[in-house]
Formats: sequence, C-alpha cells, structure tokens
Amino acid sequence: EPEVTQTPSHQVTQMGQEVILRCVPISNHLYFYWYRQILGQKVEFLVSFYNNEISEKSEIFDDQFSVERPDGSNFTLKIRSTKLEDSAMYFCASSAWTPIQYEQYFGPGTRLTVT
Amino acid sequence: AQTVTQSQPEMSVQEAETVTLSCTYDTSESDYYLFWYKQPPSRQMILVIRQEAYKQQNATENRFSVNFQKAAKSFSLKISDSQLGDAAMYFCAYRSGGGTSYGKLTFGQGTILTVHP
Repeated sequence: EPEVTQTPSHQVTQMGQEVILRCVPISNHLYFYWYRQILGQKVEFLVSFYNNEISEKSEIFDDQFSVERPDGSNFTLKIRSTKLEDSAMYFCASSAWTPIQYEQYFGPGTRLTVT
Repeated sequence: AQTVTQSQPEMSVQEAETVTLSCTYDTSESDYYLFWYKQPPSRQMILVIRQEAYKQQNATENRFSVNFQKAAKSFSLKISDSQLGDAAMYFCAYRSGGGTSYGKLTFGQGTILTVHP
C-alpha cells in the first residue's frame, strides 16, 4: 500500500542552524501539507502546497519557514534559523485529486530537537 | 475561524467494553468534513473514520462509529469491543468543504485512551 515517507526520523540541531525536513508523498497525490505537534500538544497546521506554490499557511509559518518541491517526488520543509520552540514532531501529509473529497495520508513524522 | 474541542484529556476502558470519546466544534460553515485520527505511541497519524456534514447518516467503520449531531456541533466517536491495540491518542479534526479550501485540518487537543486487559 502506498505511504508517505519522511526523513530523517529524528533530527537534532543547534539553535540558529538551518534544517531541512524531507517528505516523499504518495506518487499520484497533488496536495501536500506540513503539520507540527509540540510534545503533549495538539497537531497544528503549518502550510499547504499545490501546483508548486503555497495555497494556504498558518500564522506559525513565518519567514523562517519555506517549502519546496525540488523534483517530482520530494517535498521539503526548511527552517532557516531554528529556535528552541521549533522543537516538535513535524508531519508531512498528502492527498489526491481534490483535498475536499480525499483524506490526507500522514507520514510517520520527523522529531526535531533544537538544543 | 473554526475550533475543535476535546474536553476529555484521558479516557480508559476495559478490553471488550465500549467507550465514547467526545468532540465539539465551532464553525459558521455549512459544508465541512469531520475526522477522527488515531495516534499510537509510534506517533503515526492514522485515519479512523470520517463524516461528511451533508450526510445525515452516521459513519461506521467496523468497531468504530460516530454520533454526529450537526445542530449541536458535536461529533463523538464510539469504539465497540475495545481491543488493546486501540490504546492511543485520538484526535478529532475539522476540514472546511468550501471551494477555497485546500484541505487544512484543524485538530482538537486529543484524548488519550487507555485499554485495560
């Protein structure tokens, strides 16, 4: 069964460093998402991406964040200068033709620890 | 903006028994979708069940069913014949059905379900 994959599973970085989190969505999906979950808290929407551009973003998704689909398979989230409060689990998700009718499939997540 | 509230931080159930997890939401939209996601200790988010707001019939998936009360903006999840593998964090989530929606999910705070043998 097709699945969303994410690498790395765990990333440790120092404050101020740049990190790139990688996701491989399901191959025929067209809509891509990033969510984050700070430990013990709810899952929060960061950004949605369609047709090679951001379609919606939350207040959390400030200038420190960027997303990219560098090739036909990968979808990345970059944090330019990490802060302690960026420590969280980051989930990638994808959905098929229209996000209205089709559910989002989540990857296993990347645990980001900023020290 | 839409909000989703899960008022039960933790619930527990005996194996083979039935448990109901509560969820309420607030929206001014008439077209939307509601979901329950399961998050086991592995942290993977797994879709359990979904409900389209325009459908009056409550969704059912094997041992999982919902009680969707649109007027009350309530969306509870019932797990029948609970199994040890049901132990997880459960999230209620809302998605707009509007034409400008790109599928953003709004999650509740989650309910930790413990299943006792």
